[in-house]
Amino acid sequence: EDQVTQSPEALRLQEGESSSLNCSYTVSGLRGLFWYRQDPGKGPEFLFTLYSAGEEKEKERLKATLTKKESFLHITAPKPEDSATYLCAVQAPSNTGKLIFGQGTTLQVKP
Amino acid sequence: DTEVTQTPKHLVMGMTNKKSLKCEQHMGHRAMYWYKQKAKKPPELMFVYSYEKLSINESVPSRFSPECPNSSLLNLHLHALQPEDSALYLCASSQDTGSYEQYFGPGTRLTVT
Repeated sequence: EDQVTQSPEALRLQEGESSSLNCSYTVSGLRGLFWYRQDPGKGPEFLFTLYSAGEEKEKERLKATLTKKESFLHITAPKPEDSATYLCAVQAPSNTGKLIFGQGTTLQVKP
Repeated sequence: DTEVTQTPKHLVMGMTNKKSLKCEQHMGHRAMYWYKQKAKKPPELMFVYSYEKLSINESVPSRFSPECPNSSLLNLHLHALQPEDSALYLCASSQDTGSYEQYFGPGTRLTVT
């Protein structure tokens, strides 16, 4: 069964304390893995797309990496404004546009 | 510009009302989506439009009726909703239904009384 699992469910960091969020996936033939950031009551904000193992993407304090079984979102020296829920999703094998989402990781960064 | 707009931002409706949610994008995307999101859950796909044709209906109750008047606009008509339909309704668009990232709008917070 195609599925996405994110861990941890919640993460509390002190400002400047680097860490990583995990996204494990099982899907037959990866057609794209996506990371989103979502603030409470708002729509998800697109961060990164990864297509093949070994690929890496960076944006400010965030870096996303991909292996054949999982993706990591590394957060370097986080700031309080990085507090949000981070969602990982993969394109369903049917290629119909349907995304399979993980349950998300809620990150809180304390000053 | 990667903006998807949605109106209204908030909507309160009774169970006998008829209302519509609207979504617009000007990125030239040919795929548009409606999602429903409950608190502390990921978005749940409702409908997919590809080239203005409905391509996926995720077994959504008929009290939700989607419409795609043109390639930039997407509507969701609501009628005889139930309190459990209260949620954040999100619109998204992507270049096509292939391996492309989806861009989400800010959402409409719907409360059914």
